[in-house]
Amino acid sequence: DAGVIQSPRHEVTEMGQEVTLRCKPISGHDYLFWYRQTMMRGLELLIYFNNNVPIDDSGMPEDRFSAKMPNASFSTLKIQPSEPRDSAVYFCASNMGGGTQYFGPGTRLTVL
Amino acid sequence: RKEVEQDPGPFNVPEGATVAFNCTYSNSASQSFFWYRQDCRKEPKLLMSVYSSGNEDGRFTAQLNRASQYISLLIRDSKLSDSATYLCVVNAYTGGFKTIFGAGTRLFVKA
Repeated sequence: DAGVIQSPRHEVTEMGQEVTLRCKPISGHDYLFWYRQTMMRGLELLIYFNNNVPIDDSGMPEDRFSAKMPNASFSTLKIQPSEPRDSAVYFCASNMGGGTQYFGPGTRLTVL
Repeated sequence: RKEVEQDPGPFNVPEGATVAFNCTYSNSASQSFFWYRQDCRKEPKLLMSVYSSGNEDGRFTAQLNRASQYISLLIRDSKLSDSATYLCVVNAYTGGFKTIFGAGTRLFVKA
């Protein structure tokens, strides 16, 4: 079975540009999570969805970040405009009903 | 105080050694607990769930102490391949679902 799929795997962009990260959760999972990981702050939960509805976005750092889940098989995390401090690895994860979370391979974002 | 705290390490141990990690959590409403493993430049992956009665999976043993609000992971007969970062994860339902990851403990197993 396919796991969580994320794209792109690597993204290098310049400050001020819009960045869109994509995620396809495991089929049948009703929860989807977006995380950011840096050496300094570790793994931080940004937002999570249940049945495509955003439940808690308190981890979203600021208005430059937005996330959508238009259907059960697709979600996006957008940063506009991007800044160098947004450089991190962004993970998407999914699960069913609060159980084990399965992570995608991550998107390594570098903002110059 | 962080909601989930771990000793960042690193723990440097020889092959064959036994090593133990502890993790403390602050939310008494926490309901489920896990250990994840993360290899360098890879995603976190579930190592094992942690049950109140304790559980064992081969060389790995996890235990939960609700009264003291900590969980532990014991690795026996360490292998080189055990070198990784071990993340403590706590789920709580407090008016909403909340998952908190610890910052992780780094383990290096040397020949």
